[in-house]
Amino acid sequence: GESVGLHLPTLSVQEGDNSIINCAYSNSASDYFIWYKQESGKGPQFIIDIRSNMDKRQGQRVTVLLNKTVKHLSLQIAATQPGDSAVYFCAENRWGAQKLVFGQGTRLTINP
Amino acid sequence: EAQVTQNPRYLITVTGKKLTVTCSQNMNHEYMSWYRQDPGLGLRQIYYSMNVEVTDKGDVPEGYKVSRKEKRNFPLILESPSPNQTSLYFCASSFEAEADTQYFGPGTRLTVL
Repeated sequence: GESVGLHLPTLSVQEGDNSIINCAYSNSASDYFIWYKQESGKGPQFIIDIRSNMDKRQGQRVTVLLNKTVKHLSLQIAATQPGDSAVYFCAENRWGAQKLVFGQGTRLTINP
Repeated sequence: EAQVTQNPRYLITVTGKKLTVTCSQNMNHEYMSWYRQDPGLGLRQIYYSMNVEVTDKGDVPEGYKVSRKEKRNFPLILESPSPNQTSLYFCASSFEAEADTQYFGPGTRLTVL
């Protein structure tokens, strides 16, 4: 069946360092990917998305990389700050499917 | 402010007592969806709606009902709640169902005793 998975359940980084959160997906028909951030007690918040016709997209302090050959997605956060502490989810959607498929999430902890 | 709202945010109830969790969005989105979030299981879709009067089952629809009489509202109904429905519930909406970003509400934490 289809699945979207994350390589690590937890990640700790020092404040100011760069963070990389990884995600693997299994459905080669996936054509749209989203990263969400979920802070404690809140709903998932959109961070950045990327379509399958791209391999890189940049936002403010965040970059998403897509490698369709190995079905891998990553979220890079530059110069992490305490406010970046949260659970990060990747999600996949494709034309013909009426839902998002979410990964399990990676908890990012920023150490001072 | 563009947002998805849910009420109540917290609810403790007893087995068998019917309840409704409301969801409303002010972005004129056509697509709305309900998810539940449980430790170790992530976010799972309960029901979704492509447009007014169009609803369909997600991955875990048992024990739930929904309705979509108006574009902005998508209530989740538990006719006879059971303890295994204790969970964190999220409503989400997007312009389109496919290849579009879904925006989430703040969540409703439900405890069924």
